[in-house]
Amino acid sequence: SAVISQKPSRDICQRGTSLTIQCQVDSQVTMMFWYRQQPGQSLTLIATANQGSEATYESGFVIDKFPISRPNLTFSTLTVSNMSPEDSSIYLCSVEDRTGDSGNTIYFGEGSWLTVV
Amino acid sequence: KQEVTQIPAALSVPEGENLVLNCSFTDSAIYNLQWFRQDPGKGLTSLLLIQSSQREQTSGRLNASLDKSSGRSTLYIAASQPGDSATYLCAPAGGGYQKVTFGIGTKLQVIP
Repeated sequence: SAVISQKPSRDICQRGTSLTIQCQVDSQVTMMFWYRQQPGQSLTLIATANQGSEATYESGFVIDKFPISRPNLTFSTLTVSNMSPEDSSIYLCSVEDRTGDSGNTIYFGEGSWLTVV
Repeated sequence: KQEVTQIPAALSVPEGENLVLNCSFTDSAIYNLQWFRQDPGKGLTSLLLIQSSQREQTSGRLNASLDKSSGRSTLYIAASQPGDSATYLCAPAGGGYQKVTFGIGTKLQVIP
């Protein structure tokens, strides 16, 4: 299994500012994933973060708005830039564990709940 | 493109009832299917994972079944408790990393 810590757990942000979310995993993982969950919606994958290379972004998400860092195999950050109220969401970090007997289980952090005012 | 539907969207039951949550998906070419629980404003907790070759998995009071060919999965919760109140999401996964699609979930409320 994997234990994922995210910071901050919650924040209220001013319009136009940027916020960086940190994700720490208790084991080394090849890929880390960032999701967004807007109010009342399901999860949407923002990007996949590989250590040592640029993140791969899904359609509708761009690096200028959501820059990601992946400096090592246990840590990643997601920055939400120039925030607007539409960015108010829960942002979730995720990893996939393919080492267990149960197959590739997905684990999530506790989420970072951002409210933009 | 995989689409996931969960029925019902919301459910309110008295404590002690057995209940079934339904999940259907359009693309049966999945690698596995995972059920998650999400408490309000929080991340997701993995409950059960069913491989595509399996028909069901059990963990405590939870039992998940998978009918891959018909694109359906159910989560059975026995003897529901107020602590089971949460949103339950199913997530079928295709091949490759994170080819996962989430439903919107079923919001469950268990009334004491």
